[in-house]
Amino acid sequence: QVQLVESGGGVVQPGRSLRLSCATSGFTFSSYGMHWVRQAPGKGLEWVAVIWYDGSIKSYADSVKGRFTISRDNSKNTLYLQMNSLRAEDTAVYYCAREIYGDYEIDYWGQGTLVTVSS
Amino acid sequence: QSALTQPRSVSGSPGQSVTISCTGTSSDIDGYNYVSWYQQHPGKAPKLIIFDVSQRPSGVPDRFSGSKSANTASLTISGLQADDEAAYYCCSYAGSYTWVFGGGTKLTVL
Repeated sequence: QVQLVESGGGVVQPGRSLRLSCATSGFTFSSYGMHWVRQAPGKGLEWVAVIWYDGSIKSYADSVKGRFTISRDNSKNTLYLQMNSLRAEDTAVYYCAREIYGDYEIDYWGQGTLVTVSS
Repeated sequence: QSALTQPRSVSGSPGQSVTISCTGTSSDIDGYNYVSWYQQHPGKAPKLIIFDVSQRPSGVPDRFSGSKSANTASLTISGLQADDEAAYYCCSYAGSYTWVFGGGTKLTVL
């Protein structure tokens, strides 16, 4: 079955960096677009970034553009999110999510990893 | 990239039906048929219940249905059950490889 397992979250000071990983299994990773979506404590979902199946297209929410970088390693079936210049408002659970094949919607989600930006 | 507009809360009694609205613009909901809905129980990851406006993934009961009219999408849950109590989020493709979510609606089963 499809599995998405995020890791790399933790407590980080404002201005510092953090790299999240999402290990996947149960599907042909190299054939699917992948997303990062976040959820601040007690708040709603916010789309963060997407990467095409082959890495040819990357797109970001305005709130993270220029600070976050999405990438993937299809040989390792793993998705990444490099987060630089972190701010308090980046505090959230970060979910890795798979896009429906040939579609523009998300079907499967990981369990999320919590990132807390605090001094 | 403004969030789609959903009611903060709705409620209904077991067996009843409820409808949750999701209002966007011509740049998202009214521009594409890529509207999806997610159910999220507390402390859990979201679960896809509707995609392509009105399609149900395998395993999602037909009590859940979706529709769209112009810039407003709707999720209807019929025959309410206790386990339907959760937060529901709509999501739309917004062009230029961007997506937007609604603010979420808390469903209470009375």
